[in-house]
Amino acid sequence: KQEVTQIPAALSVPEGENLVLNCSFTDSAIYNLQWFRQDPGKGLTSLLLIQSSQREQTSGRLNASLDKSSGRSTLYIAASQPGDSATYLCAVTLRFQKLVFGTGTRLLVSP
Amino acid sequence: DVKVTQSSRYLVKRTGEKVFLECVQDMDHENMFWYRQDPGLGLRLIYFSYDVKMKEKGDIPEGYSVSREKKERFSLILESASTNQTSMYLCASSLVEFNLLRLGQEQFFGPGTRLTVL
Repeated sequence: KQEVTQIPAALSVPEGENLVLNCSFTDSAIYNLQWFRQDPGKGLTSLLLIQSSQREQTSGRLNASLDKSSGRSTLYIAASQPGDSATYLCAVTLRFQKLVFGTGTRLLVSP
Repeated sequence: DVKVTQSSRYLVKRTGEKVFLECVQDMDHENMFWYRQDPGLGLRLIYFSYDVKMKEKGDIPEGYSVSREKKERFSLILESASTNQTSMYLCASSLVEFNLLRLGQEQFFGPGTRLTVL
C-alpha cells in the first residue's frame, strides 16, 4: 500500500530564507506527483505537477524535484515571504487518477 | 481557468439526517472525486467517478454514497449522518488519464464544505 510522508510537519522561518520541504513515498509505481498549497479552512491549490518521467518543474519562486527510484520529492521555495505561510501537501497519483496524500508541512514565514 | 464549486462552505446537521453535498465543475472533466480531511489523518478518498453514472469506492466509503447523473455534477450523500462524519469535505476533478502516454492529470479542488454533525 502506498504511503506518503512529509517532513518536517511544521516549519517556521524568517522572511527571505530559502527553504526545502520534503516528501517521500513507498511505491515508485506512480503516474505523477503534485504539490498543493492549503490556506486555513480553504481548499487545495495546485502548485506544481511533475510527471513520473520528469525530474523537476519550476514555477516562479517554486521548484519541485522528483527522484522516483528513491521515492523522494522536494519543494524548494526561494526568498520566502509571509504570504507563503500555509500548509503544503504532496500527493502521488496512482491508476484511475487516485491521489494518496501526505499529511502536510505547516509553514510559517514571519516578517 | 478550471472552476470547481461546492454548494455550501459550512453546514450543520443533526444525527440521523440525510445530507447532500453537491459539487460542480465547468471544464468537462471526466473524473470527479470526494475526499474528507481530518486533523492527523490527512485527505482520504471516499468515492470517485470516471464517467456519468459510474462510481468506484475509495478508501473510506462506509456511511456514504454518491450520484453522478450529469458529467459536471457529483453528489456525496450521507444517508444517516453521524457525529464521526463531522469533517471537511473536498471535491476534485480531473481529465481522464491518457493510457497511451501514461500521463497523470492535474486534479483541481473545490473550496471545501465544513460539515458539523450534532
